[in-house]
This record gives sequence, C-alpha cells and structure tokens, in this order.
Amino acid sequence: EVQLVESGGGLVQPGGSLRLSCAASGFTFSSDWMHWVRQAPGKGLVWVSRIDTDGSGTTYADSVEGRFTISRDNANSMLYLQMNSLRAEDTAVYFCVRDRPGPHFYIDVWGKGTTVTVSS
Amino acid sequence: DIQMTQSPSSVSASVGDRVTITCRAGQGISSWLAWYQQKPGKAPELLIYDASTLQSGVSSRFSGSVSGTDFTLTISSLQPEDFATYYCQQGNSFPLTFGGGTKVEIK
Repeated sequence: EVQLVESGGGLVQPGGSLRLSCAASGFTFSSDWMHWVRQAPGKGLVWVSRIDTDGSGTTYADSVEGRFTISRDNANSMLYLQMNSLRAEDTAVYFCVRDRPGPHFYIDVWGKGTTVTVSS
Repeated sequence: DIQMTQSPSSVSASVGDRVTITCRAGQGISSWLAWYQQKPGKAPELLIYDASTLQSGVSSRFSGSVSGTDFTLTISSLQPEDFATYYCQQGNSFPLTFGGGTKVEIK
C-alpha cells in the first residue's frame, strides 16, 4: 500500500523552529518528486515546496522562501521540511504529498497531515 | 503566479442532482489542471488530471472539461458520499496554485 506518514508537528512560539518528517512506503520513493502542501484552519490548500528525485532541485513558495528548507533521504524513504523563523501565519496542517509521475505537476498521494501551531 | 478563480464558493444540492463547478485560470495553462475532493478532517484525493482524465478508481459520474482558460468539474448524479469540498489546481508551472474551493452541501 502506498503510504505517507507525517510527524514532527506541534506548538511552537513565533520565531521558533520545527522539523517535519514524512515516511514513505509502498512505492519507489527515489523515483518521485515530492512536495509539501499546507492548509490553515478553515482555509484552502496552499503549495509550499517541492523537491526533485535526488534533492538537487528545490522550489519554494514566496511566503516561505529563505525560512523553510525541503530535503530528502532516499536511502530511508524520508522527506523533511525544516521550518525556521516561524510566524503565526504558518499555522496549518502540513501534508506530505507525492507528485504524480508525468510531465505536469499533480498530487496523487497525500499523507494525513501533521498540525503546526505557531503561538505564544 | 497563476491565479485560479473557482466558483461558486458553495452550492446546495440534492442527491441525484447534476452539479457543475468552474475554475478559471489567470493565464493559459493548456489542459494542465487537476481536481481534488476533500472531506472534513481528511486529506484531499485526486479526482481528475489533465483537465479531463479520470484518476484510477474514481467514479465515472465525475467528469472534467476545458474551454480556453475555463475548466469545469461536473458530477452527473450527486451521491451522498460526494458532499465535500472540491479544489482545482494548475499543474503548468511553479508555484503550484489552487482554487479557493467549492463546498458541496446537502440541500
């Protein structure tokens, strides 16, 4: 079964840091681009970041550029999101997702999400 | 960034109704658009990609079409399990962008 399981969410003060992890299973992790997508409480979906298969190429939303870093460990089928200088507006459920193989960018596998709350 | 404008933001419908949701891209994205369904407290699920290709395992009562920069998701005969929020997403370029969502509610 194809599965993505996020962990690492929690309550953090403004200006603090968190590292999200995502364990992938049931597919050849090293062959697929991966993304993080977030959803603030009661709001819509927002793309955060993507990483290519070997980690050499990354892209970020303007809102997190310079504060967040996406990375991966293909040997252990793990995806990460290092989040620094957190702000209240980063409060959201963060989903680890797989890019559907193909020439365009769609999401065909979603984790259940991990909740990040930034508050004093 | 490519803006995706989805309408309506909500729709009330009955079981058996035909429901249509529209998404307009702020610039040309060819057919590179996906539709997702999200139920409360759950992760979204991919329904359609490339504007009209049904994801494996998705019911054929869902269909998608495109005309220029206007995309449409149609549910041919609404079922109880279809009450959810639907999002479009452009798959043409980064940053990936989603529509604001359409909540399909029970009438």
